[in-house]
Amino acid sequence: QKEVEQDPGPLSVPEGAIVSLNCTYSNSAFQYFMWYRQYSRKGPELLMYTYSSGNKEDGRFTAQVDKSSKYISLFIRDSQPSDSATYLCATLYSSASKIIFGSGTRLSIRP
Amino acid sequence: DAGVIQSPRHEVTEMGQEVTLRCKPISGHNSLFWYRQTMMRGLELLIYFNNNVPIDDSGMPEDRFSAKMPNASFSTLKIQPSEPRDSAVYFCASIPTGRGFTDTQYFGPGTRLTVL
Repeated sequence: QKEVEQDPGPLSVPEGAIVSLNCTYSNSAFQYFMWYRQYSRKGPELLMYTYSSGNKEDGRFTAQVDKSSKYISLFIRDSQPSDSATYLCATLYSSASKIIFGSGTRLSIRP
Repeated sequence: DAGVIQSPRHEVTEMGQEVTLRCKPISGHNSLFWYRQTMMRGLELLIYFNNNVPIDDSGMPEDRFSAKMPNASFSTLKIQPSEPRDSAVYFCASIPTGRGFTDTQYFGPGTRLTVL
């Protein structure tokens, strides 16, 4: 079993829709949770980072962590064509441990 | 700053050949990471360096892979001999001095390797 599982998609939604991206993880020792965005033919870039359970909001993006169910979510409100990318969730045991990435979900926003 | 620089951007080689991938981290960044990305396995950490010293190479798939960081501004990832299953995009990333892994990693554009 992979430590972090993510549906690869692709996920296609119309512009303006609310997008929900999800990951599950297996190890309850994970403390840090991150979302990276990767445009085609580019390296990933950090989108959001949360520690432990709870929500974190940044503009149109909300990251949510439910440690009881080992579930990580990223919500995108008012989705735009420029949000079309692959989104990777990632976890760490601590700020000094290596990052473990999910395989990524490919998202397409239709104009 | 130019960001993380990787070369070559594309490499096509034949099975059995030696391949060397190069990375120049952002100036002032003291931790450097090599990743491999494939459709099947996603993004995997191969090795990371801190202050030019390899800290964790547990992700290096086998002895055919080796990595060096002779100084703070240059690192190489070598595959010898290469095999078709090594075909992937290889990314290099760096983080600023004194930052933890929860801070953003600055990724290079990647090297797309195809082994025939």
